Amino acid sequence: KAGVTQTPRYLIKTRGQQVTLSCSPISGHRSVSWYQQTPGQGLQFLFEYFSETQRNKGNFPGRFSGRQFSNSRSEMNVSTLELGDSALYLCASSPLTGGTEAFFGQGTRLTVV
Amino acid sequence: SQELEQSPQSLIVQEGKNLTINCTSSKTLYGLYWYKQKYGEGLIFLMMLQKGGEEKSHEKITAKLDEKKQQSSLHITASQPSHAGIYLCGADGGNQAGTALIFGKGTTLSVSS
Repeated sequence: KAGVTQTPRYLIKTRGQQVTLSCSPISGHRSVSWYQQTPGQGLQFLFEYFSETQRNKGNFPGRFSGRQFSNSRSEMNVSTLELGDSALYLCASSPLTGGTEAFFGQGTRLTVV
Repeated sequence: SQELEQSPQSLIVQEGKNLTINCTSSKTLYGLYWYKQKYGEGLIFLMMLQKGGEEKSHEKITAKLDEKKQQSSLHITASQPSHAGIYLCGADGGNQAGTALIFGKGTTLSVSS
């Protein structure tokens, strides 16, 4: 069974630009969650999508958004990039929402210059 | 809001030695996850504990969730260089809206041969 796939693995963007990251969950999994990992703040929850609906949202500005498609693949978008958005972005795939194992992808390393 | 504190922050052990990592929550744990991460990479799912008193093992790693469900420990027996990495505990705070894990800051394990 293929694992969680995130693309691209690495990305360099300029301040003010926008970026879209993609996550393909494990086949059959309907929940996709996104996390931001930085050395200072650690791992922080961004949002969760289940059956194309946002179920939960962390404490991030509206520049961070996401969506989920009917095949459960998910994208997250960050607009008007700031230097502080440089981080490892991880997505996690779960069969259901809440209380089930969550499997993470390899992450997308975003660098904003 | 719920917080997870991991101890120790880092440790260095000699190959073959046993070690324990602790994760203490400020609130009752409804689901406790243990992950391992190599620097800059994705999280590898180790195990999930849900019931007070529950104990699970995988190869030489054993995790327990205490009866009061506010602390978990991860024990590695006869450590090997392959065990080196960052160990993270994550908690599902019982948010009925879905999956939104919060994480501890991690414990960095080095194994010297």
